[in-house]
Amino acid sequence: GAVVSQHPSWVICKSGTSVKIECRSLDFQATTMFWYRQFPKQSLMLMATSNEGSKATYEQGVEKDKFLINHASLTLSTLTVTSAHPEDSSFYICSAPRLTHTDTQYFGPGTRLTVL
Amino acid sequence: TQLLEQSPQFLSIQEGENLTVYCNSSSVFSSLQWYRQEPGEGPVLLVTVVTGGEVKKLKRLTFQFGDARKDSSLHITAAQPGDTGLYLCAETTSGTYKYIFGTGTRLKVLA
Repeated sequence: GAVVSQHPSWVICKSGTSVKIECRSLDFQATTMFWYRQFPKQSLMLMATSNEGSKATYEQGVEKDKFLINHASLTLSTLTVTSAHPEDSSFYICSAPRLTHTDTQYFGPGTRLTVL
Repeated sequence: TQLLEQSPQFLSIQEGENLTVYCNSSSVFSSLQWYRQEPGEGPVLLVTVVTGGEVKKLKRLTFQFGDARKDSSLHITAAQPGDTGLYLCAETTSGTYKYIFGTGTRLKVLA
């Protein structure tokens, strides 16, 4: 079964509004989670690292004031796209490493954002 | 910044054919993962390779890690329509779980 969930799975919003996407680790704690963006027909691009208890770290070229990340608990990270515009329309995917002897990283099912 | 180039970008083949997908880096991998992603879903891990020269098999899929750990290949034998999807290689930055993904290979297997 899924070990990382995202909510919502899809969202449509008007230009200028803000949208919050949740990423949850279902049966393990994750002090670190990652957010990726994937445009149609393209690969995944890392946006930022979400850190529980401290500020997120953003990749070069990603606007931290536009993509607000809050790691509220050891099982929840949220990504808020502020003042969304059509060019923000994309597939947003989170991931969380499960720090066991296998150190496996699990990816969420993704959230499709469409900004009209 | 390490770049992961995959080739080919697109591949459309008939059921039963064999194919190979390549992943190349500008520098040495610490470890490499191969993922498959279907439309509207997150990527699913297929395999992790760590040791140069390593070969791993997963049913009809054979994964090879180059001796110098700068390249990897995925070979599919007797492809089936269920193999259709986006194949991604990914490298983890040493000491973190931050993944850098390859450019992707979109495979379509026709029945």
